[in-house]
Amino acid sequence: DQQVKQNSPSLSVQEGRISILNCDYTNSMFDYFLWYKKYPAEGPTFLISISSIKDKNEDGRFTVFLNKSAKHLSLHIVPSQPGDSAVYFCAASARLNSGGSNYKLTFGKGTLLTVNP
Amino acid sequence: DTGVSQDPRHKITKRGQNVTFRCDPISEHNRLYWYRQTLGQGPEFLTYFQNEAQLEKSRLLSDRFSAERPKGSFSTLEIQRTEQGDSAMYLCASSFTGGQPQHFGDGTRLSIL
Repeated sequence: DQQVKQNSPSLSVQEGRISILNCDYTNSMFDYFLWYKKYPAEGPTFLISISSIKDKNEDGRFTVFLNKSAKHLSLHIVPSQPGDSAVYFCAASARLNSGGSNYKLTFGKGTLLTVNP
Repeated sequence: DTGVSQDPRHKITKRGQNVTFRCDPISEHNRLYWYRQTLGQGPEFLTYFQNEAQLEKSRLLSDRFSAERPKGSFSTLEIQRTEQGDSAMYLCASSFTGGQPQHFGDGTRLSIL
């Protein structure tokens, strides 16, 4: 049962244009969402995150949007650069019934972004 | 600025052998996590430490797997009697007590012959 879904295995965009990576989730207990970037032979690198109390978070060229009612989030990269070419993972953590925050991350399968010069 | 360090980067072993991996977290972080990633999948949670206490183990962590963090600093992950299905990338991450974000090391790639 895939609780975090990235339905596009790959995405190709031109340099300078916008890249939009999508992620859907099914677990309504998820309350914190993160995006990681991964280059070959390296570990995932944290990019940006968003709490469920927000619907948008921006950091430089990266913006994450959260639509809780649709259980959907997206990562926008603008303008896209060739160095952005990597696999992007969406991840989520859940709040506990006790009210505390969970620790383990549930990841999607990733989307390979290719930015063409 | 030292990030999460994992050793070795690659391990090739024969089926049935025991292997041990090491993870050194970011020094100020008291939470440490182990994940496993197989081809075409995202990382999957294995286990988690708060200081030296192991607080949860995933069902993915069979009895052949054991993890320790004896002094609340580095951690080891041991796999006994390795099987073909253990071939994967083993990732370590660390974080502050707040939990997020987790910062990952470059992983140990395990190949079982």
